[in-house]
Amino acid sequence: QSALTQPASVSGSPGQSIAISCTGTSSDVGGYSYVSWYQQHPGKAPKLIIYDVSNRPSGVSDRFSGSKSGNTASLTISGLQAEDEADYYCSSYTSSSTRVFGIGTRVTVL
Amino acid sequence: QLVESGGGVVQPGRSLRLSCAASGITFSSCGMHWVRQAPGKGLEWVAAISYDASDKYYADSVKGRFTISRDNSKNTLYLQMNSLTPEDTAVYYCAKDKGVYMDVWGKGTTVTVSS
Repeated sequence: QSALTQPASVSGSPGQSIAISCTGTSSDVGGYSYVSWYQQHPGKAPKLIIYDVSNRPSGVSDRFSGSKSGNTASLTISGLQAEDEADYYCSSYTSSSTRVFGIGTRVTVL
Repeated sequence: QLVESGGGVVQPGRSLRLSCAASGITFSSCGMHWVRQAPGKGLEWVAAISYDASDKYYADSVKGRFTISRDNSKNTLYLQMNSLTPEDTAVYYCAKDKGVYMDVWGKGTTVTVSS
């Protein structure tokens, strides 16, 4: 149950687009279309922003989008805004019916 | 809404039981998870339980020490934590399962394992 690999940090200027990668194995990310993404602001609980690779829950901005290719999933934030500054975690269902999170990515808006 | 409780300071080797009270959801129809976050660290999935408690799953790091359970008559999820070590120090969140992801989260309860 090794954590999924994410870049430690990603930064961008307001209005720009950034992408966060999430790499796993064929036993998790690559084996299922069950990747989800969570946003966490400091001192707050995580919030679901993407589920089943590319679906957005009601109320989540369409500036957030997700995709997957092979063992790597990606979260793209378009039109970066100051409020997007937070930690982002990917998560995947696994072949053991457990869940695994990524190590997390700190997004900084310059 | 999910509200965790039961956290606190506990000595290594001791036990603690966390609770998660659910309201505004059909608790008895929902799978549930526990997820933790050590100070300054990332999220770690801990355990999951099916809606009827027939299936339970654990992370390797807690298997054999932690037990997830639920009481659908009380709309409450539990996490019994035994043989605690300093590495179990974290904020513990309960979360509602929506298929294979977690769509509703509590605010967390803090567990500190220290002598």
